[in-house]
Amino acid sequence: DVKVTQSSRYLVKRTGEKVFLECVQDMDHENMFWYRQDPGLGLRLIYFSYDVKMKEKGDIPEGYSVSREKKERFSLILESASTNQTSMYLCASSLYTSGGVDTQYFGPGTRLTVL
Amino acid sequence: DQQVKQNSPSLSVQEGRISILNCDYTNSMFDYFLWYKKYPAEGPTFLISISSIKDKNEDGRFTVFLNKSAKHLSLHIVPSQPGDSAVYFCAVEYGNKLVFGAGTILRVKS
Repeated sequence: DVKVTQSSRYLVKRTGEKVFLECVQDMDHENMFWYRQDPGLGLRLIYFSYDVKMKEKGDIPEGYSVSREKKERFSLILESASTNQTSMYLCASSLYTSGGVDTQYFGPGTRLTVL
Repeated sequence: DQQVKQNSPSLSVQEGRISILNCDYTNSMFDYFLWYKKYPAEGPTFLISISSIKDKNEDGRFTVFLNKSAKHLSLHIVPSQPGDSAVYFCAVEYGNKLVFGAGTILRVKS
C-alpha cells in the first residue's frame, strides 16, 4: 500500500511566521503535489514536482514555495503566513505512467490555522 | 475559470437506494476522468476512473458514466450504504495534473 505521511495533523501559527509543511511518500513515486482544500472550492493545486530539485507552479502558487531535495520528500513553505492561508493542506504522490491514468495518493492532510 | 463543476453541494439518499453524483467539464481534450472520496480528517482516496474513449466503467457498486457530447460525468452508487457518506470529488486529468471539482457531500440515511 502506498503511504503518504504529513508531518502534522494540526498546526497553529501567527501571521508573519515562516511555516514548513513536510510530506513523505514511501513508494518511490516520481510525482508529488501540494493542494489546499477550502469549502466550496475543492482541491486547488499549489505546486507540484516531477523529479528531485524540480518544481512547477500550480494554479495558486502565490505566497508559497516548495523544496524537493530527496525523491521521497516534498516540502511546502509559507514564507510569511497570512490569515488567508488558513486551510487544509493535502500532499499527494503518483507514479508517472505514460498513456495511462495518473492516480494520485493523498496524505491525511494538515489543518493550518494562521492567527 | 472553473474547468470542472459539481453543481450540487450536497445530496441526501436513503440506504439501499441509488446515489447519483454529477459533474460537468469544459474542455473536450481531457483524457481521463476520476472520482475521489474523502472522509473527514482523512485525505481523498481514489474511487474509480474512466478513459475518454469509453462511456461506462463499473467497479462493484460504483459505476461512472461519461457523456462526451454533453461534457458530463456521473457516478452511480447502487445500493447506497451509510459508509458511503463522504465528500465526493470529480477530477479530470490535464497533462500530468488533476483538476478537481468543488465536491458533493453525500449523506446516506439508514
